[in-house]
Amino acid sequence: SQQGEEDPQALSIQEGENATMNCSYKTSINNLQWYRQNSGRGLVHLILIRSNEREKHSGRLRVTLDTSKKSSSLLITASRAADTASYFCATDWNNDMRFGAGTRLTVKP
Amino acid sequence: DTAVSQTPKYLVTQMGNDKSIKCEQNLGHDTMYWYKQDSKKFLKIMFSYNNKELIINETVPNRFSPKSPDKAHLNLHINSLELGDSAVYFCASSDPSGNLQETQYFGPGTRLLVL
Repeated sequence: SQQGEEDPQALSIQEGENATMNCSYKTSINNLQWYRQNSGRGLVHLILIRSNEREKHSGRLRVTLDTSKKSSSLLITASRAADTASYFCATDWNNDMRFGAGTRLTVKP
Repeated sequence: DTAVSQTPKYLVTQMGNDKSIKCEQNLGHDTMYWYKQDSKKFLKIMFSYNNKELIINETVPNRFSPKSPDKAHLNLHINSLELGDSAVYFCASSDPSGNLQETQYFGPGTRLLVL
């Protein structure tokens, strides 16, 4: 059920820096979602952006969506060590969900 | 070759029935998950098994029982189905010990409709 591609596969930054992760997909979408997975745990929902939206904010998270380029980005500002996790994007088209392979983010204290 | 497969893809059943959804992965992963997609389209973790042992059990009704006969399979059995159980259920697997740590591979989903 994988369809998206996250870029980069792995990202390592210092605490306080911003982290940007990208997601590209191939099909049409109703919405796109970003999830986080901490070590050994399941996915936790972060944010959903609908196909008619271009940008959405939630706390330190900012998500953009460009449907013409079939891409989305997740920006985490002022990163913390606790943000270390894997981040996944998922597209939803007519109740068909597809997931990317994930970006592994490491935030060094 | 499907990496993570679920059967059935669609399941329509009457309230009160007992049903099972099967999940199989051929990736050699140690960890498998069940998620429920809620009405807002968010995925919520239900269960996680590692090498046939339960490691995550979120607050779900006792009517839901996962069963892992071996590490390649994690089936979801639901007793006394209720209308509110109607949803899409996703199975996933991951291998935290692999190079692509914790990348989750998802099945196609099972659409359950309880009438």
